[in-house]
Amino acid sequence: GQQVMQIPQYQHVQEGEDFTTYCNSSTTLSNIQWYKQRPGGHPVFLIQLVKSGEVKKQKRLTFQFGEAKKNSSLHITATQTTDVGTYFCAGNTGNQFYFGTGTSLTVIP
Amino acid sequence: DVKVTQSSRYLVKRTGEKVFLECVQDMDHENMFWYRQDPGLGLRLIYFSYDVKMKEKGDIPEGYSVSREKKERFSLILESASTNQTSMYLCASRSGQRTGELFFGEGSRLTVL
Repeated sequence: GQQVMQIPQYQHVQEGEDFTTYCNSSTTLSNIQWYKQRPGGHPVFLIQLVKSGEVKKQKRLTFQFGEAKKNSSLHITATQTTDVGTYFCAGNTGNQFYFGTGTSLTVIP
Repeated sequence: DVKVTQSSRYLVKRTGEKVFLECVQDMDHENMFWYRQDPGLGLRLIYFSYDVKMKEKGDIPEGYSVSREKKERFSLILESASTNQTSMYLCASRSGQRTGELFFGEGSRLTVL
């Protein structure tokens, strides 16, 4: 069945270091969304990517959608303690979203 | 502000009990979803509904049922709770556009003893 794999599962970084999480789908996606879940909180929508090769930026966050629309990445430049949380990708096949397993980010001050 | 409200943040139930998890949204959204979240497994879709009285099975519907009698309310029912249903349950809603963002509730942490 449809699978969306996300790596790494955990990442610990020193404050100020960069961070990247990767999402890979077994099938072509019509679009992909990214969510952030703070510890003890619920997932909150960050962004949606639709076009092949699309790149979007939100301040220190850069989101990419692969040319084949099967993979995506989220890159955070110069992490801050406020970036702590779990980042999920959610791939849309046209009918429903399939969430990745998430990457839990810890930022060490 | 958009709001998705889940009736209980924490529940403790015994094996075999019937469990109701309620979810209400105030955004007039057509689509509503129930996910469960477990460590290392991400969010897995249990059931979803694209309209009142409609329901569709997600990836892991076994042991669950749902009810959507009103547009704003989507209930998840565990007919006979089992210990492997101990989990965090998240309700979400979305407008009728099927590629729109999901708005999540705060979650209901269920423990089945």
